[in-house]
Amino acid sequence: AQSVSQHNHHVILSEAASLELGCNYSYGGTVNLFWYVQYPGQHLQLLLKYFSGDPLVKGIKGFEAEFIKSKFSFNLRKPSVQWSDTAEYFCAVNARGNGGSQGNLIFGKGTKLSVKP
Amino acid sequence: EPEVTQTPSHQVTQMGQEVILRCVPISNHLYFYWYRQILGQKVEFLVSFYNNEISEKSEIFDDQFSVERPDGSNFTLKIRSTKLEDSAMYFCASLRDWTGTEAFFGQGTRLTVV
Repeated sequence: AQSVSQHNHHVILSEAASLELGCNYSYGGTVNLFWYVQYPGQHLQLLLKYFSGDPLVKGIKGFEAEFIKSKFSFNLRKPSVQWSDTAEYFCAVNARGNGGSQGNLIFGKGTKLSVKP
Repeated sequence: EPEVTQTPSHQVTQMGQEVILRCVPISNHLYFYWYRQILGQKVEFLVSFYNNEISEKSEIFDDQFSVERPDGSNFTLKIRSTKLEDSAMYFCASLRDWTGTEAFFGQGTRLTVV
């Protein structure tokens, strides 16, 4: 069965610090990878996604993520965080192709990011 | 920008009562989903729906749950007899197709069972 692990439950940073949130998944086949963000009181919004091509993907608000197939990882990065980045971040995976659960996103437990002004 | 809308935003119900959570997916989308997030826990898949039938469901989606697309626009989740542990945020999502698009989520319905 597919699973997604996010290593950090709560990360606290000061403004302008660099951010890296870890995400590892377990699935032997081809996957689509996503990072969603949930600001306080709001719904899940897509930050970025990887389907194929360049493994370094850029998303909104200066976020990027790198897919490293050999490590089954899709870590999220931002060089300089802002107070407005305070939110919960979810990594998600779904399998593609035969035997995959089309559209069934498997989410990690989420990482809460608190940015101190 | 098109969006997925969910109503109500918050529902309080007594244990044992039936509730219906409503969603209006994006109009040209073909795949529909319900997820839930119990407070402090991860987002969990409940069910996916395509071509007017359930395409996949999780272990959570037992006989107490059902989904329906009664007309061309609404997508509903019914919980027949609510339990305290059904208290959660329920998210509806829709997906256009499988050509590189992502799922769009609604703002969620907070269900509180008392």
